[in-house]
Amino acid sequence: DQQVKQNSPSLSVQEGRISILNCDYTNSMFDYFLWYKKYPAEGPTFLISISSIKDKNEDGRFTVFLNKSAKHLSLHIVPSQPGDSAVYFCAAIAGAGSYQLTFGKGTKLSVIP
Amino acid sequence: EAGVAQSPRYKIVEKRQSVAFWCNPISGHATLYWYQQILGQGPKLLIQFQNNGVVDDSQLPKDRFSAERLKGVDSTLKIQPAKLEDSAVYLCASSSSWGGNQPQHFGDGTRLSIL
Repeated sequence: DQQVKQNSPSLSVQEGRISILNCDYTNSMFDYFLWYKKYPAEGPTFLISISSIKDKNEDGRFTVFLNKSAKHLSLHIVPSQPGDSAVYFCAAIAGAGSYQLTFGKGTKLSVIP
Repeated sequence: EAGVAQSPRYKIVEKRQSVAFWCNPISGHATLYWYQQILGQGPKLLIQFQNNGVVDDSQLPKDRFSAERLKGVDSTLKIQPAKLEDSAVYLCASSSSWGGNQPQHFGDGTRLSIL
């Protein structure tokens, strides 16, 4: 049972335009969400996070939006750069218990120069 | 700051053999995690340590997988005997403490191939 879903395996965007990566979740106990970026042959790198008490968090070119009622979050990258080409993983944590990260399957973003 | 170190980077073994991976977390990080990432999937937590104690090993196949963090610093993950379905990248991560607002920092992983 996939509790964190990234339904788009891949996304292509022109350089300078906005990239929007989507993530849906089913577990209502999730209260903290993170985005990780992964280059080939490297480990995931933390990008940005958001607590369930917020609906938006911004860090430079990266903004994460959370819609709790829809159990949906999205990562916006503006403007997109070729160096942003990577696999992006959405992850979630349920506050109680072990703080285990549950990952989605990832979305491969390609930014075309 | 040095990152999470893992070795080896690649390992090829035949099924039914044993294999071990090593991880050295970021200095001072109390929490250490081992993940399994199968091709096309997101990482899946196998085990989580807080210092040298196990916090969560609910998804560790304990009949063949074992892990230890004896001195609360580096850690080893062992598979014995290996099966074909164990082919994956094994990622180690660490965080300064245990909580959602403490991002996990990942190593580059060990890519395991079972023949």
